[in-house]
Amino acid sequence: GIQVEQSPPDLILQEGANSTLRCNFSDSVNNLQWFHQNPWGQLINLFYIPSGTKQNGRLSATTVATERYSLLYISSSQTTDSGVYFCAVDAGGTSYGKLTFGQGTILTVHP
Amino acid sequence: EAGVTQFPSHSVIEKGQTVTLRCDPISGHDNLYWYRRVMGKEIKFLLHFVKESKQDESGMPNNRFLAERTGGTYSTLKVQPAELEDSGVYFCASSQSGTQYFGPGTRLLVL
Repeated sequence: GIQVEQSPPDLILQEGANSTLRCNFSDSVNNLQWFHQNPWGQLINLFYIPSGTKQNGRLSATTVATERYSLLYISSSQTTDSGVYFCAVDAGGTSYGKLTFGQGTILTVHP
Repeated sequence: EAGVTQFPSHSVIEKGQTVTLRCDPISGHDNLYWYRRVMGKEIKFLLHFVKESKQDESGMPNNRFLAERTGGTYSTLKVQPAELEDSGVYFCASSQSGTQYFGPGTRLLVL
């Protein structure tokens, strides 16, 4: 099946810093989503981005489908951005709808 | 609009007992998914319903797990009998097309 790798595994920032999280995947995808898992464990959907670039406030994401990677940018980070960020992909075909998750990036933002 | 809801939020049971988890998807969403994260591992797909039909149950670990979706609305996931390795967080998600929206999860602990 499709493989998803996220980097870095851990990231520690001071408030106000910018960061880039990466997601590599091993095959073409039908769907790619970025999630933020908050301290209560809930998975918050950030972006649905199988290709192209999207922005939402301080967050933006870019997926280059032909090169099989996606990037999540966080600008002017805040302590509330702390948590685990997951990338998940749907390879389509016979496994349409099935999301395969990466192992996550643990982000800690210090005040 | 209400999001995906799951019940219970936590469950602690003894090995050999039965537990039933419930998921109520976003109203009108035909697609309903179950995922789980066991300790230290990645979030893994369990199965996918389209309305009341099982589209893909390739992620179900064994026949101790039984999922149903009555009338294409809410879904239940029963574990019988529960084993220690079933402990983890069980997530439900729903979608109409594209973006999957996740519930808060049920934390299951099998002692």
